Amino acid sequence: RKEVEQDPGPFNVPEGATVAFNCTYSNSASQSFFWYRQDCRKEPKLLMSVYSSGNEDGRFTAQLNRASQYISLLIRDSKLSDSATYLCVVSRMDSSYKLIFGSGTRLLVRP
Amino acid sequence: GAVVSQHPSRVICKSGTSVKIECRSLDFQATTMFWYRQFPKQSLMLMATSNEGSKATYEQGVEKDKFLINHASLTLSTLTVTSAHPEDSSFYICSAGRQGAGEKLFFGSGTQLSVL
Repeated sequence: RKEVEQDPGPFNVPEGATVAFNCTYSNSASQSFFWYRQDCRKEPKLLMSVYSSGNEDGRFTAQLNRASQYISLLIRDSKLSDSATYLCVVSRMDSSYKLIFGSGTRLLVRP
Repeated sequence: GAVVSQHPSRVICKSGTSVKIECRSLDFQATTMFWYRQFPKQSLMLMATSNEGSKATYEQGVEKDKFLINHASLTLSTLTVTSAHPEDSSFYICSAGRQGAGEKLFFGSGTQLSVL
């Protein structure tokens, strides 16, 4: 079982739609949680950190449920430019600090 | 914001050759850099943690003699893929943390390696 699991998609939605992505993680020792965005053959870019209290950044809302080991991302009023792969990422400490990436959920926003 | 420069962005080479990839932190000192590999439609997999002035820490299953990492200064880490084979074809990407930026990592733009 992967340490961070995501539905690969693709999610194909029209402009203006609301779309939600889910992610689960298996290591209860995970410390911090993030959503990254990655465009094809480009580096991942931090979209937002995720907190138990939930946090919002414009059209994006992220939520963490530590008890269920579940992370979500909600995108409202989808734009064409939102088309990308969204990576669920957790951090933990082994011998050093590490980021563990999910394989990503692909989003396609159509006109 | 902090910038990490990775070079080259794309390499095509013959099987058996060695390829060096550079990762530079341009406006900050990075005592630790991370090297990832990403195969198509898969997640970024951490290969190794590069520590300035000491040996790199490799993840399980990553051959340290094949993927040589050198972190000789606070702004430069290099990854050398020795005797590359077609199965080494992948997207390689580095990242670095900056003191004071918390857990945020800054990523290089990646290197697409194609071994013929």
